[in-house]
Amino acid sequence: KNQVEQSPQSLIILEGKNCTLQCNYTVSPFSNLRWYKQDTGRGPVSLTIMTFSENTKSNGRYTATLDADTKQSSLHITASQLSDSASYICVVSAHSGYSTLTFGKGTMLLVSP
Amino acid sequence: SQTIHQWPATLVQPVGSPLSLECTVEGTSNPNLYWYRQAAGRGLQLLFYSVGIGQISSEVPQNLSASRPQDRQFILSSKKLLLSDSGFYLCAWSTSNGVGAFFGQGTRLTVV
Repeated sequence: KNQVEQSPQSLIILEGKNCTLQCNYTVSPFSNLRWYKQDTGRGPVSLTIMTFSENTKSNGRYTATLDADTKQSSLHITASQLSDSASYICVVSAHSGYSTLTFGKGTMLLVSP
Repeated sequence: SQTIHQWPATLVQPVGSPLSLECTVEGTSNPNLYWYRQAAGRGLQLLFYSVGIGQISSEVPQNLSASRPQDRQFILSSKKLLLSDSGFYLCAWSTSNGVGAFFGQGTRLTVV
């Protein structure tokens, strides 16, 4: 069964600090992995998308890594801001004739002043 | 560019009443369409997905149903709402090969 596990479940950091969120998956056959940011009461917004051959992708202060061998991904946030407070969701897409999406439960990040 | 519209943004309905949430996508053709529900403090739960007109797959048995009357229209319905149907409902689309998945702004449904 395809699964996506994220850790930690929640995280509190001080403004200006860095943090790293983890995503482990058992999705096969792998197509791509995406990180989303979801503000409370809003729909998720895509931050990065990575395919099998990509190891690192950046989007401003967000840097995602992918290790397809160990089936792990991380999202690193640099110099956190109060507006980074949100839920971060890892989503893995599998090819299966048509593509299906498997969602992690998300990491709730709170950036404290 | 592609856009996705979902409405209404918030909805308060009494138990036993019907439900209809609508989602439309613009700027693409033959998308995969998805309905998700997110209970408070929980992750996203896939309810239905569709790979084409009239093709609906259900992931979780419940009193909800979905329909896709047109290529870029996806509707979530219920004949009689339950209290447990309360939650945040999200519509999403992706390309048929899974590259690109985008979400609507969500509907906050409260069943009272």
